[in-house]
Amino acid sequence: EDKVVQSPLSLVVHEGDTVTLNCSYEVTNFRSLLWYKQEKKAPTFLFMLTSSGIEKKSGRLSSILDKKELFSILNITATQTGDSAVYLCAVEEYGNKLVFGAGTILRVKS
Amino acid sequence: GAGVSQSPSNKVTEKGKDVELRCDPISGHTALYWYRQSLGQGLEFLIYFQGNSAPDKSGLPSDRFSAERTGGSVSTLTIQRTQQEDSAVYLCASSFYGVNPGELFFGEGSRLTVL
Repeated sequence: EDKVVQSPLSLVVHEGDTVTLNCSYEVTNFRSLLWYKQEKKAPTFLFMLTSSGIEKKSGRLSSILDKKELFSILNITATQTGDSAVYLCAVEEYGNKLVFGAGTILRVKS
Repeated sequence: GAGVSQSPSNKVTEKGKDVELRCDPISGHTALYWYRQSLGQGLEFLIYFQGNSAPDKSGLPSDRFSAERTGGSVSTLTIQRTQQEDSAVYLCASSFYGVNPGELFFGEGSRLTVL
């Protein structure tokens, strides 16, 4: 059965800290891995990764994929209280549905 | 509208009643998903529509759940004889499969409470 596992389940840090969120996966026909941020209701798209070793960056957020070891990390540097959210990892198979992990709850304290 | 629209935003119902949840995807998006999210949990896949293909219903938790998508656009998720464990936020998302199929645009969700 396909699965997407995220760790840690929750994390509390102070403003300015750097955090690393993990996502490992097992799917049979991998197409892409995606990261989403969910603050209150609707998750919003952050990154899509398809190739190993190529870092995607957006401001203080960055992500990289390792297709050999079947995992991805999401890094957030110089964290701010506005980064507090649930971060969701999802894996897409060719011609198939997106499967989400359970998410990592990040809380950034001021 | 510019985004995915879901209705109702909140629904309180009595156990045993049927409910219908509606999703209007972004115009032109060929893929449509329904997910369920219970408090503090991740997104549980329910059903996936892609163009004219047969939907992937593998995530529907029981035969009380069904969904349809009319004309390749609006989708309705129906839950019959609701149970208390059906209480959750039901999220709809759409994407344009030909470009970035994994980049889903989510609606604000329908919060269902079964008393």
